[in-house]
Amino acid sequence: GEDVEQSLFLSVREGDSSVINCTYTDSSSTYLYWYKQEPGAGLQLLTYIFSNMDMKQDQRLTVLLNKKDKHLSLRIADTQTGDSAIYFCAEFQERQGNLIFGKGTKLSVKP
Amino acid sequence: EPEVTQTPSHQVTQMGQEVILRCVPISNHLYFYWYRQILGQKVEFLVSFYNNEISEKSEIFDDQFSVERPDGSNFTLKIRSTKLEDSAMYFCASSPREAVSYEQYFGPGTRLTVT
Repeated sequence: GEDVEQSLFLSVREGDSSVINCTYTDSSSTYLYWYKQEPGAGLQLLTYIFSNMDMKQDQRLTVLLNKKDKHLSLRIADTQTGDSAIYFCAEFQERQGNLIFGKGTKLSVKP
Repeated sequence: EPEVTQTPSHQVTQMGQEVILRCVPISNHLYFYWYRQILGQKVEFLVSFYNNEISEKSEIFDDQFSVERPDGSNFTLKIRSTKLEDSAMYFCASSPREAVSYEQYFGPGTRLTVT
């Protein structure tokens, strides 16, 4: 079945760039998303990319999509301590109309 | 900015009891969802709801679960007879769907603990 995989942890220093990676299996996915979850909070939609794009930039966030390898990444430039959170990759499963999530990558930003 | 709200934030119940989790989706949204996240595991889809009926449901959403939109604003998830393995964070989401990108907006979640 469809699956989304992410590494579980990433630690960076404040001011550095963070790159969070994700792989997915459903080649028919039309949209892929990044969500952020801060402690005690819900899932905040950060950005998304359509499958016919290979890059999308939104301020400090850059999403790269390699459709051939089914690989998605989220780059956060100039990472701040406020970026510390769990980041979830998700793909839109058109058949059922729901999202399939990865386990989340916990980003820790050290001052 | 409009947001999805959920109540309560934390619910503790005994095994075998019924619970109702409540959600208020974003007001002009048409599609509503419940997901759950067991501690340490992935966020999993439970059910989607459109036009006052279930659109899709996952294997998890068995006869113990039901959803309802009792009025124009609330969207509820009922678990009839809770089991220990129902302990999880339950997220409600809503989507305008006219948006080409199908984005779903999530509430803060209800942590359900079954003892």
